[in-house]
Amino acid sequence: TQLLEQSPQFLSIQEGENLTVYCNSSSVFSSLQWYRQEPGEGPVLLVTVVTGGEVKKLKRLTFQFGDARKDSSLHITAAQPGDTGLYLCAGVRGSQGNLIFGKGTKLSVKP
Amino acid sequence: SQTIHQWPATLVQPVGSPLSLECTVEGTSNPNLYWYRQAAGRGLQLLFYSVGIGQISSEVPQNLSASRPQDRQFILSSKKLLLSDSGFYLCAWSPTVQYPGANVLTFGAGSRLTVL
Repeated sequence: TQLLEQSPQFLSIQEGENLTVYCNSSSVFSSLQWYRQEPGEGPVLLVTVVTGGEVKKLKRLTFQFGDARKDSSLHITAAQPGDTGLYLCAGVRGSQGNLIFGKGTKLSVKP
Repeated sequence: SQTIHQWPATLVQPVGSPLSLECTVEGTSNPNLYWYRQAAGRGLQLLFYSVGIGQISSEVPQNLSASRPQDRQFILSSKKLLLSDSGFYLCAWSPTVQYPGANVLTFGAGSRLTVL
């Protein structure tokens, strides 16, 4: 059973389009993180959200943590080819638990 | 600034051969250290983590073992590799501060292992 479900698994869009990817769970998390991974490299942290309902913006990326702290979304405005990669969400249960990763959304942005 | 080094980057090994992947962290003290495996379609699976020298916790039973001989050195080993050990192995570290949102991972560049 996958604790964190990410959707969609794959997404292929044209440059300039908007998109939203989702990270859902039936469990409550004390915090949730988003990472981006490029082929052949390790994941790189994009953002951490801690408070239910929290919204964080990173240039064209908007991250939201659900009110109940069970889910999160990542919205990208005007996607660019440089946004291509695997987007992973990871949740922490309790203040000292290890991260639990979703399987990721593989995004391809075509010029 | 903190850096994490992982090697080798690529490894092709026959079934039954031993394995040693190494990871070192610079610029921090007493980090939490992790080994993950990433297989296609299965996401990141936590294999081992360590909160200090000689302290290893295993998340899943398997053909692999880990050791932490020094504060900033983490080693992943196997005595006899299986075909199913193929994958992309990632080392990571996190600070030891304990508050929500603090358990942020910094990953190495990964080691691609192919067992033939």
